[in-house]
Amino acid sequence: EAGVVQSPRYKIIEKKQPVAFWCNPISGHNTLYWYLQNLGQGPELLIRYENEEAVDDSQLPKDRFSAERLKGVDSTLKIQPAELGDSAVYLCASSSPKGNTGELFFGEGSRLTVL
Amino acid sequence: GEDVEQSLFLSVREGDSSVINCTYTDSSSTYLYWYKQEPGAGLQLLTYIFSNMDMKQDQRLTVLLNKKDKHLSLRIADTQTGDSAIYFCAEKGFQKLVFGTGTRLLVSP
Repeated sequence: EAGVVQSPRYKIIEKKQPVAFWCNPISGHNTLYWYLQNLGQGPELLIRYENEEAVDDSQLPKDRFSAERLKGVDSTLKIQPAELGDSAVYLCASSSPKGNTGELFFGEGSRLTVL
Repeated sequence: GEDVEQSLFLSVREGDSSVINCTYTDSSSTYLYWYKQEPGAGLQLLTYIFSNMDMKQDQRLTVLLNKKDKHLSLRIADTQTGDSAIYFCAEKGFQKLVFGTGTRLLVSP
């Protein structure tokens, strides 16, 4: 079974440019998460989807960040315009309601460098 | 608010035991987790413990939970160089996981 797939793995852009990250969760997982991981820190939740509905986006900086999960499968996270402080790893994770432990399955992340 | 704390760094010799500690704040957490992150990779679940347990053993891994002190620990027996990574504890808050800052484990030969 394929795991959570993210792309691109690495992205280098200049400040004020837009950037987008894509995530394909594990098949059958209806909950999808985007986490932000700054260097030397633990992941912090940006947004959580249940199917196509964003049920927790309280930590998403809505002035420049947006996300969507059309059809309740793949998701994209966009930053426009990017700032220097956005340099970080953006992790996507998914989970299944059938699992009784609440385990999250993570992708390898998209590392963003803003110059 | 939710705040999960860990020590930043631990160095051990190969074959020794490693103990990584974590304190959490949400007494209503149902599950507590240990995740491992190797360089350039995402997080991988190592083990978890249900909040009504005080110990769980899984091969070389032993998890101890002290609910009174909100303290969680992960013991790795016979630590190997392949165990070098960052270890995150996480608590299951309301509908989401809250992660600690991570403990970098360095295992030297």
